[in-house]
Formats: sequence, structure tokens, C-alpha cells
Amino acid sequence: DTEVTQTPKHLVMGMTNKKSLKCEQHMGHRAMYWYKQKAKKPPELMFVYSYEKLSINESVPSRFSPECPNSSLLNLHLHALQPEDSALYLCASSQPGRGTYEQYFGPGTRLTVT
Amino acid sequence: AQRVTQPEKLLSVFKGAPVELKCNYSYSGSPELFWYVQYSRQRLQLLLRHISRESIKGFTADLNKGETSFHLKKPFAQEEDSAMYYCALFYGGATNKLIFGTGTLLAVQP
Repeated sequence: DTEVTQTPKHLVMGMTNKKSLKCEQHMGHRAMYWYKQKAKKPPELMFVYSYEKLSINESVPSRFSPECPNSSLLNLHLHALQPEDSALYLCASSQPGRGTYEQYFGPGTRLTVT
Repeated sequence: AQRVTQPEKLLSVFKGAPVELKCNYSYSGSPELFWYVQYSRQRLQLLLRHISRESIKGFTADLNKGETSFHLKKPFAQEEDSAMYYCALFYGGATNKLIFGTGTLLAVQP
């Protein structure tokens, strides 16, 4: 399996809701990432997990809470979001410290906050 | 500071014309550079990495350290090449960070 999968594909949530985004990979990669992408803009890094430990938090508001339960799974828990948080959320994975460092991206979850 | 610059937001060419998407970088170390492509409604995918010096879908990119550039080229554009192209710099060590340029939208006209 050489793909990163993300669920759900689309999510609409109110500002008081709690929801979670899920990401899974079975390539044996030990680094996983969350990015936020606005329309016609590049991905913006949010979080990096390396060997299941949070290694980078790019000053993301606490209403976004990442979790890495094991080496194949990555979650992003959402609570009390704002309309400006509406975006495409991308998950990626890579093998840290080896080879050419390329990241493999999932298809994304399109989030709309109402 | 590490930075990737793509000066063109939009590049429009006719089918069969040559294409050059510009990318300049700023990095004090030895750079690891990539081109990613995002077709409409598809996932972001790796197109090229400088270290392997390969040609994918007719595209090539050469790292020029003197000019700090990594331009993407194709001699004859096809309509199916229309997409958003991002140049990216791996800012490595323990961080595994990838820094993206702002992207260039390539539109190939029939």
C-alpha cells in the first residue's frame, strides 16, 4: 500500500462542534504531518510527528489538537473552530532521516466551519 | 532564512510550446529540492526531486547552486500538464520540514 488515506473527504461543522480528522498510511513511514491549505495557496505546515512524538507545532491555536496513536495513524481533533479555519487539511508522511526526504500526501479533508 | 520563491503566479502557454517554471531558493546549507504538482481535484504529488536527476512526464529540473535556482522545464507542453506546480525545499535535520513556494498555475491552451 503506497497511499496516504484521509477521512472524511468533506466535513461541515458548527463553531461549537467537536470533530476529528483521520489519516492513515501503511508505508512504514515514521514521520507524519498535518498541513492546512487555502485555495490557490501552498500548504502551510501545522504539526510534525516523528516516531510518534510531536516534534513541531507551528504555533497552531489550541482549538486544533493532534494525536498520533501509533506509527500508522494520525488524528486531528477540532473544537470551537472559527469560519477562517475553513480549508483543505492535508496529511502527509515520510521516512525521517533517510533517502530523499520526499513527503507523500493524502487527498485531504475539505473542512467548512459555519 | 530559508525561502522558496516562485515569481509567476500564472503561466499560460499554447500546446507544443516550451515551458519553464521558475524557482529560486535561499538556504545556507546543501539544499534538497523538489517539484510537486497538484492537478485539479487531485492530491499533491511529487513530480521531481533534484537528487535523482530524472525526467518525469517530459519535465526536467536542474539545480544551479550558483544562481540558487531549480527551474522546471519541458520542451513541448501538453494540455494535461495544466496544474498548480509548487517548488519545495527540504529544511532537514531533525525537523523534517518542507518549505513550499507560493506556486505557479500552468495553463496550457489548445
